[in-house]
Amino acid sequence: EPEVTQTPSHQVTQMGQEVILHCVPISNHLYFYWYRQILGQKVEFLVSFYNNEISEKSEIFDDQFSVERPDGSNFTLKIRSTKLEDSAMYFCASSEDSLGQGYTFGSGTRLTVV
Amino acid sequence: ILNVEQSPQSLHVQEGDSTNFTCSFPSSNFYALHWYRWETAKSPEALFVMTLNGDEKKKGRISATLNTKEGYSYLYIKGSQPEDSATYLCAFFWGGSQGNLIFGKGTKLSVKP
Repeated sequence: EPEVTQTPSHQVTQMGQEVILHCVPISNHLYFYWYRQILGQKVEFLVSFYNNEISEKSEIFDDQFSVERPDGSNFTLKIRSTKLEDSAMYFCASSEDSLGQGYTFGSGTRLTVV
Repeated sequence: ILNVEQSPQSLHVQEGDSTNFTCSFPSSNFYALHWYRWETAKSPEALFVMTLNGDEKKKGRISATLNTKEGYSYLYIKGSQPEDSATYLCAFFWGGSQGNLIFGKGTKLSVKP
């Protein structure tokens, strides 16, 4: 069964450093998403991406965050200058269309900012 | 503000018990409700995508119902097994979104042998 692949599974970084989280969505999917879950809290939407541009973003997704699809397969989330409160589980997801067909999540990257 | 509530937050049952939990969501501008099963260190696994009022879906011992008019969905597990232990998430997909889901906090189910 097709999978969404995320790397690394764990990332520890120092406060103020830049991190890039990597995702390989399902190959025929057109919509890509990032979500995060801070420990003990809800899974929260960060951003959706379609046709090489952001289609929607939440208020969490401020200027410190950016996304990119550098080639035909990868979808990255960059945090420019990490803060302690960025520590969370970050999930990538993809879907066939904006109506949610085939919505599939990756297994997540646990980011710890120290 | 769109909010999705799940109850209870956690549930402890014995093997063989049947159980159910609730997801409440906004009843306006509804498009779909997703249920996921999430085990630690794994991807959330899609269980059901429900779109029509009155929908009932079943997958093995797990089933779900949907009431879009009053804004709730129930997930039922018949004859719980230890391998059913997981967090069950519901997520609301509304008509004004670009595909993003609004999640509840989940119900953590523990099934004791």
